[in-house]
Amino acid sequence: DIQMTQSPSSLSASVGDRVTITCQASQDIRKHLNWYQQRPGKAPQLQIYDASNLGKEVPSRFSGSGSGTNYSLTITSLQPEDIATYYCQQYDTLPPLFGPGTTVDIK
Amino acid sequence: EVQLLESGGGVVRPGGSLRLSCVASGFTFDDYGMSWVRQIPGKGLEWVASINWNGGSTGYVNSVKGRFTISRDNAKNSLFLQMNSLRAEDTALYYCVRTPLGYCGGGYCYLFDLWGQGTLVPVSS
Repeated sequence: DIQMTQSPSSLSASVGDRVTITCQASQDIRKHLNWYQQRPGKAPQLQIYDASNLGKEVPSRFSGSGSGTNYSLTITSLQPEDIATYYCQQYDTLPPLFGPGTTVDIK
Repeated sequence: EVQLLESGGGVVRPGGSLRLSCVASGFTFDDYGMSWVRQIPGKGLEWVASINWNGGSTGYVNSVKGRFTISRDNAKNSLFLQMNSLRAEDTALYYCVRTPLGYCGGGYCYLFDLWGQGTLVPVSS
């Protein structure tokens, strides 16, 4: 079975910092990877699909990259509203599987 | 407004049944595949079940196969999840989610571009 890991599990950064979250699959997932943002007490929202495509109305400070087994979500200038848990999700092997999440807060 | 609104959650005893509903508004419902994704409070996300645009294909996570049934009524813009033989480990917040065409296949949907607010299902004696 495919396994998904994310690192770090949590991080604290200052407003304006560049933040990068990584997601690793146990096998090549051929860019079949999505990212979701879940703000505290809210439902998840699609941020990035197919590894690097920005979701609808997602700010341009978010970007996704990667290939093979290694992927990343980058926030170029962290804003207070970006406080959330971020989940990656693969769909190269079905059923779809979410990573364990990375919690981002403000230092 | 484009939205999904779940209902039907509530406390249920182990072995019991519950039917979740989700009503869609603001978009053409039968242009999309639909799924249920659950989240144990404070924990991660787990895909539970999907259904394609016309109900002709469905898929389930192994842990609910034979116990849960996903269905839809396109005339009523509604999605359902019939949950039988509930277990303590089914306790979770259940989200209704939407998938654009092209991201469903073989009963599985795998891109979730709109989420409801969730309905809580505690399974407890």
